[in-house]
Amino acid sequence: GESVGLHLPTLSVQEGDNSIINCAYSNSASDYFIWYKQESGKGPQFIIDIRSNMDKRQGQRVTVLLNKTVKHLSLQIAATQPGDSAVYFCAENPGGGTSYGKLTFGQGTILTVHP
Amino acid sequence: DVKVTQSSRYLVKRTGEKVFLECVQDMDHENMFWYRQDPGLGLRLIYFSYDVKMKEKGDIPEGYSVSREKKERFSLILESASTNQTSMYLCASRGTAKGYTFGSGTRLTVV
Repeated sequence: GESVGLHLPTLSVQEGDNSIINCAYSNSASDYFIWYKQESGKGPQFIIDIRSNMDKRQGQRVTVLLNKTVKHLSLQIAATQPGDSAVYFCAENPGGGTSYGKLTFGQGTILTVHP
Repeated sequence: DVKVTQSSRYLVKRTGEKVFLECVQDMDHENMFWYRQDPGLGLRLIYFSYDVKMKEKGDIPEGYSVSREKKERFSLILESASTNQTSMYLCASRGTAKGYTFGSGTRLTVV
């Protein structure tokens, strides 16, 4: 198997398919979650967020689902396009008053969309 | 929209040089962060600042220092650059309600 930290999970889809990217988070006290998209050579860009008092939030072509029971977050992209090809990673806000706004990031998933 | 600007997209420096990476944000955010990003290692926090002149070490502060003399500007300093500091450096800022806004990144190569 692959060594943790050396290889990112990958997802390959055909243009027009729906994509689902998953993330397991670590802190049951986390109160806010974000998905970021990072294209090659660029900084990460905000896609969508969700607070812990919600289990689903929809944006334009994207939906985030939160399952606090199993500490799982997913990003669904509808009708995936070649321009969606990027690394996607989740982030959690640990909550509480001492984090100074620091987020904890997942390792990321590489999404490749084939025309 | 919040804008976070990193002064350089690409830098090439020699081993032993002192290197300054500058980051400026325009939305009066309290919190600013410096990360490095390496293949397979994800985002690793170097330093962060929660107010002017305040700084805290992140997970990998060794070989780096920071300066925050004004609220909008957070500088990362490599006192004596080494080849293992070749990386993508990302600056981010954060207000109270949302997540980070990242800059475009600086790809630093130390030769």
